[in-house]
Amino acid sequence: QLQLQESGPGLVKPSETLSLTCTVSGGSITNSDYYWIWIRQPPGKGLECVGRIDYSGTTYYSPSLNSRITLSLDASENQFSLRLSSLTAADTAVYYCARLAGWSVEGSFDIWGQGTMVTVSS
Amino acid sequence: DIVMTQTPLSSPVTLGQPASISCRSSQSLLNSDGNTYLSWLQQRPGQPPRLLIYKVSKRFSGVPERFSGSGAGTDFTLKISRVEAEDVGVYYCLQVTHFPFTFGQGTKLEIK
Repeated sequence: QLQLQESGPGLVKPSETLSLTCTVSGGSITNSDYYWIWIRQPPGKGLECVGRIDYSGTTYYSPSLNSRITLSLDASENQFSLRLSSLTAADTAVYYCARLAGWSVEGSFDIWGQGTMVTVSS
Repeated sequence: DIVMTQTPLSSPVTLGQPASISCRSSQSLLNSDGNTYLSWLQQRPGQPPRLLIYKVSKRFSGVPERFSGSGAGTDFTLKISRVEAEDVGVYYCLQVTHFPFTFGQGTKLEIK
């Protein structure tokens, strides 16, 4: 059973850079049928997909964050990561990593991590 | 970006009664491969979202038969045939036909 687990700091200062890692266990991150996603959810609000990366390292970023976000993938560690720069209070959210089963499979987010709360505050 | 609009935003339902949630997209979700990548997810309080329905009407593994999805193009519906107490939570539609992938605002299902 594949599982995802987010890790990273719970509190970061405004203007700093957030780094989060998602560790994949129970399966390979290099399976070409799947993509790896970061989603965030501000307190009491809805869900926003911030970016996607595939096994080859190809990335797609939300246009609203495109200039501040970088996703990367480390196949040797079976992990993928998010870096978000120039943080403001508006970036305060629960950050989830998830698996996108590709269009030849479910074509949806079939496995989610438990989420990690990130607060941007001085 | 594709805008996903859900109605209602809140749905008080009596246990054992049906419930229905609508989702409308600002553009067709029909992909060039002939599939429509519209999903429904459930988020129980304090938990991550969980996939219920994918490709409009296919139930994900382990999802009870009382959940069903339908629709095409830009209009989609999630139905719960008989609401149980464990169904309380927020339901989101999600499209992955077009990037950036987008969610509806969420519909809160609560028991009357």
